Amino acid sequence: DVKVTQSSRYLVKRTGEKVFLECVQDMDHENMFWYRQDPGLGLRLIYFSYDVKMKEKGDIPEGYSVSREKKERFSLILESASTNQTSMYLCASSLTQGQPQHFGDGTRLSIL
Amino acid sequence: QKEVEQDPGPLSVPEGAIVSLNCTYSNSAFQYFMWYRQYSRKGPELLMYTYSSGNKEDGRFTAQVDKSSKYISLFIRDSQPSDSATYLCGGGGGNKLTFGTGTQLKVEL
Repeated sequence: DVKVTQSSRYLVKRTGEKVFLECVQDMDHENMFWYRQDPGLGLRLIYFSYDVKMKEKGDIPEGYSVSREKKERFSLILESASTNQTSMYLCASSLTQGQPQHFGDGTRLSIL
Repeated sequence: QKEVEQDPGPLSVPEGAIVSLNCTYSNSAFQYFMWYRQYSRKGPELLMYTYSSGNKEDGRFTAQVDKSSKYISLFIRDSQPSDSATYLCGGGGGNKLTFGTGTQLKVEL
């Protein structure tokens, strides 16, 4: 079974802080994704990566950056956290383009 | 208009009922379709994945895709209380998957 692990289940940070969310997958998948999930808005893609050091913007990249230095690890960075970034953040991975995405259990992030 | 539309519910059914969950989509470029189940405080779990129009069955679950009318459905037979969750539909092309907002299902004893 595919295992996607997110480092924190719950996180509380302050406005203006730099926040790192970490995700690791153990199935040698090429693609990794970061989404946020908000009530009434569903899952929205922030960034994805199709190879080490490669990334593409999703639908809502503003205020976020990503890093993929190793194939198994994909980090989401909030450069200067703001209250409107309070959300559930979900990481996913897929073997190749067009294959099913497998999700972690999410990080519930609160920005105070 | 959202690319994938899904009735948010909540939908409440008695145990043993047949459940029908539905989505419509507007993007003709979608090549594949998925259904996920999400329990409270957990990540989405893949239920069904299909590339083609028609039906795909897996146990009590049947996914149906009609590309001509841009309609996707998930049927759950003999529903159980453990099926109570939010169900997300999605359509995709290339690396990008677009989700509906989810339908909340409750199966009552």
